[in-house]
Formats: sequence, C-alpha cells, structure tokens
Amino acid sequence: DIAMIQSPDSLAVSLGERATINCRSSRSVLYSSNNKNYLAWYQQKPGQPLKLLIYWASTRESGVPDRFSGSGSGTDFTLTINSLQAEDVAVYYCQQYYSTPWTFGQGTKVEIK
Amino acid sequence: EVQLVESGGGLVKPGGSLRLSCAASGFTFSKEWMNWVRQAPGKGLEWIGRIKSKSDGGATDYIAPVKGRFSISRDDSKNTLYLQVNSLKTEDTAMYYCATATSTTLGWGRGTLVTVSS
Repeated sequence: DIAMIQSPDSLAVSLGERATINCRSSRSVLYSSNNKNYLAWYQQKPGQPLKLLIYWASTRESGVPDRFSGSGSGTDFTLTINSLQAEDVAVYYCQQYYSTPWTFGQGTKVEIK
Repeated sequence: EVQLVESGGGLVKPGGSLRLSCAASGFTFSKEWMNWVRQAPGKGLEWIGRIKSKSDGGATDYIAPVKGRFSISRDDSKNTLYLQVNSLKTEDTAMYYCATATSTTLGWGRGTLVTVSS
C-alpha cells in the first residue's frame, strides 16, 4: 500500500496570509504513460462531507476559488491556500488514486490565528 | 459533470445488514471502476473496495476487515452501484461514500451514514 504522510498536523494562519500543507507518498504516484500525478486534495468542514478541491495534483475542481492551488510531482506535493479566509477553516486531506487501496493522508487542521 | 448520490444508510443493530446504493450520472457509468470509501466519526478516510467495469472483467477487491461481510455490485442498466453490508459491527459505524476516478476527473458523492448500535 502507498502511505501518505501530511505535514503539519495542524496550523494556525492569520486571515489574508498563506497556508501551506505538504503531502508525501511512499511511492511515486506519477503515471509515466500519461504524465499525470494521481493525487487529490480535499477539504472537510465540521459535520460536512468531503469536498474535492484539486485533482491530478494541480487541477482545480470547478467552482473552487483560485486561492487554492496544488503543486508537486512524484512523491512530494503541496496544497497552498493564498489569502486565507474565515471559511477556509477545515481539515484538509491528500489522497492517492494511483493504485488500490486508495490511501489518504491523516489530515491537516487549518485554523485562524 | 460527475454526480454520485448515495442512499440506504440508517441505524442497524450489530449483526444486521443494509444495502447501500449510489446513483450515478454525468458520465458513462458502465465504463468506470467504482469505489466505496468510509469515514468513521472523528476519524480519517478508509477505502473499502472497488468494482471494475464489466469490460475489464467486473472483479471486486476489498480491504481485509470487510472481506466476506461486504459485497460490491453494479447494475449498469440503472447506472447504480451497490454495497451490501452484512454482519455489521459497531466499528462499521461511518459515513459511506461512493467515488470514481475517470480519465479526466474524480467524482464523489455526499455520503450516507450507517450507524451500528444496539
């Protein structure tokens, strides 16, 4: 199984500042035949279902604000939230869908400082 | 746009059964491999299993804790995915999501809650 490790476990960021979450996979999730990274990012607010933010490591889901961006390739990935808003308080998860079982990071809790 | 809508969750006693459904639209359901993922209250996400498309053989695959108790099936004529959950345990209490990864995007439902309690 591919292990997914996120860092940090939590972070507090001032409104309007940048939040950066890292995700590392134990094996590459880059599929060489199509040059795509099978890596997604999700947001989950308390009591709500998962919301897909980013897939293919850097493609923003329709309707997701452009302050959310994803980067990285192979085994190291980053979710960046520029100009943090109050509504961005949530837990964020990374996920690999390169192979089954799909595996997820442990989650990063983002709060307002 | 990929749309997935789960249903069938509820409160069930230990040892009981449920059949969860996932209605799909916005993509060619029959071509895609479909997955179930669960999230216990206050916990992380756990992939449960997958069913391949019929054209790829239709095989299923499960994690060890649910093998023999859970069964994934599909009805391509109804664009619907199923998860039959039997011999339920309290530790199966979770939100159950269906999900797919197509060649162009990912799709997730909003989940259906299964609570196992006496």
